[in-house]
Amino acid sequence: QVQLVQSGAEVKKPGASVRVSCKASGYSFTGYAMYWVRQAPGQRLEWMGWINGANGITKYSQRFQGRVIITRDTSASTAYMELSSLTSEDTAMYYCAGAISTNSFDVWGQGTMVTVS
Amino acid sequence: EIVLTQSPGTLSLSPGERATLSCRASQSVSSNFLAWYQQKPGQAPRLLIYAASSRATGIPDRFSGGGSGTDFTLTINRLEPEDFAVYYCQQYGYSEWTFGQGTKVESK
Repeated sequence: QVQLVQSGAEVKKPGASVRVSCKASGYSFTGYAMYWVRQAPGQRLEWMGWINGANGITKYSQRFQGRVIITRDTSASTAYMELSSLTSEDTAMYYCAGAISTNSFDVWGQGTMVTVS
Repeated sequence: EIVLTQSPGTLSLSPGERATLSCRASQSVSSNFLAWYQQKPGQAPRLLIYAASSRATGIPDRFSGGGSGTDFTLTINRLEPEDFAVYYCQQYGYSEWTFGQGTKVESK
């Protein structure tokens, strides 16, 4: 079945960077984009960016431009999201998501909690 | 950036009642890219409705979506105990995805 499995929780110091991975299975990784969304405690969902699975082209939210880098490893069917210059405001659950059978986010990873403290 | 505003913030209803949730956009949104998600505590969001009115795979027909332009609605007929959750609308426009702030449907 289609599945996205993310890496485990992270605790980082302010100013550090964090990299979260998202391994896809059950579908053609290069045939679809991978999206990243975060959710701070008690807050709304926030789209961060996406990567084209085929050619690696990326698009970032203006809010995170310059601080986020999304990459992929097609041989491992894995996407990565790296966020730098962390502050306490970056404490959040980070999700990867795919639009596989619709044009919306119909598959989600389980989430990776990133705590900045 | 298109801003989505959801109302009400909280909806207190009993099982069996109907829930009507609103999502208003700051600019006209393509109906093809308006979606609704359900999120329960400790879980990832789940896609309910895409393209404003199409149900995602496995979603019961008590969930329905409608609207166009700047005003969209999610209706849940005959609330079941498992429907009490937070609901988010989402849109794609100007190369960015944005979400509403959510409506919590709670048991009265």
